[in-house]
Amino acid sequence: AQSVTQLDSHVSVSEGTPVLLRCNYSSSYSPSLFWYVQHPNKGLQLLLKYTSAATLVKGINGFEAEFKKSETSFHLTKPSAHMSDAAEYFCVVSSTGFKTIFGAGTRLFVKA
Amino acid sequence: DTGVSQDPRHKITKRGQNVTFRCDPISEHNRLYWYRQTLGQGPEFLTYFQNEAQLEKSRLLSDRFSAERPKGSFSTLEIQRTEQGDSAMYLCASSRLRDRDSGELFFGEGSRLTVL
Repeated sequence: AQSVTQLDSHVSVSEGTPVLLRCNYSSSYSPSLFWYVQHPNKGLQLLLKYTSAATLVKGINGFEAEFKKSETSFHLTKPSAHMSDAAEYFCVVSSTGFKTIFGAGTRLFVKA
Repeated sequence: DTGVSQDPRHKITKRGQNVTFRCDPISEHNRLYWYRQTLGQGPEFLTYFQNEAQLEKSRLLSDRFSAERPKGSFSTLEIQRTEQGDSAMYLCASSRLRDRDSGELFFGEGSRLTVL
């Protein structure tokens, strides 16, 4: 069995400040982990993925995520938020032989 | 670039009518997923196929919902006797079966259903 929990439903930051979106997962097997972004009225876009290679994963638009097995976490970070980062972010877990499931999402607000 | 395509993009129907959505996945992808997304929520898993076999169905998928993937290529999702609560965006995604990329989903743009 597997599950994913996004610890914050909303995060608000000021432009130029760091972003941290938290995700914890549970999986009986070695999981693949992903972050997807969804801008208003747009489709889901893959930000980055972890698939058992390097634990620090770099994605598009300056986002990074670190896989920490001991903490079962896969938090998404960005050093400096931009107004265009305002969107909904989804943490996703998948394991071979199991369905891919989404977290409930974290809405990121960026203040000018 | 032939990504995942869904048809129709928008459907408005009256309560009690039947609707059918079609999804054409990326051709070499073995897995095909259906999700439902309502405003302000994350995608909720409905069902998925591995080739033509339907491997799992969510409890969300009542007996009014049926999905098929007859030849392991395109898939259809039919909703019978639609209810207003069925109004949502229906998302289709596909992925490879093997290797470490099996969890990466490629999404279509969705089919938005409005039930009046």
